[in-house]
Amino acid sequence: ETGVTQTPRHLVMGMTNKKSLKCEQHLGHNAMYWYKQSAKKPLELMFVYNFKEQTENNSVPSRFSPECPNSSHLFLHLHTLQPEDSALYLCASTSAPGLAIYEQYFGPGTRLTVT
Amino acid sequence: KNEVEQSPQNLTAQEGEFITINCSYSVGISALHWLQQHPGGGIVSLFMLSSGKKKHGRLIATINIQEKHSSLHITASHPRDSAVYICAVLPLMDSNYQLIWGAGTKLIIKP
Repeated sequence: ETGVTQTPRHLVMGMTNKKSLKCEQHLGHNAMYWYKQSAKKPLELMFVYNFKEQTENNSVPSRFSPECPNSSHLFLHLHTLQPEDSALYLCASTSAPGLAIYEQYFGPGTRLTVT
Repeated sequence: KNEVEQSPQNLTAQEGEFITINCSYSVGISALHWLQQHPGGGIVSLFMLSSGKKKHGRLIATINIQEKHSSLHITASHPRDSAVYICAVLPLMDSNYQLIWGAGTKLIIKP
């Protein structure tokens, strides 16, 4: 399998549930990202991991907890979410975040609905 | 006011028409990206440019650094071009290399 994959593609969860989103990249990239995309809004960067180290947390509520066990895998653990957290969650990766040549490869996203 | 503004927000056109989508930004940048998002979510990078013009098939992207403006053109548009087109910029001197995203332009091409 190639590219960036995300599972599940769709998730419906209650506010008291705990779930996890998974992202996997098969591109040999060093950096991975979580984005949130709400309707009619620009993408919001949530977290950045560079060589498995978290380098950015854009004031994301603690009910979102990222985990990056290795350069190929990224998780987003969810607990006690709110209905306003319903959105498309996109994972991306890039090979060289330190260079001006900078292209991100995106996964298909997980459509999350919080009821 | 968002630092990256796209226009129009929505565009509906007939098959075969020449399409132009605009992106204006207010910060100095080292690169600008055009991306395509189809229904269902996945985002694909179309172009990354820092000057001049790039062409790929029926798609053309131009950028004017002095005017802080870029355009994405689609020639001989086709219903399969229907998607959301997103502009994103990489600011100069951004040590975190974070992109600033536009809200996207939703394009519908009718047969």
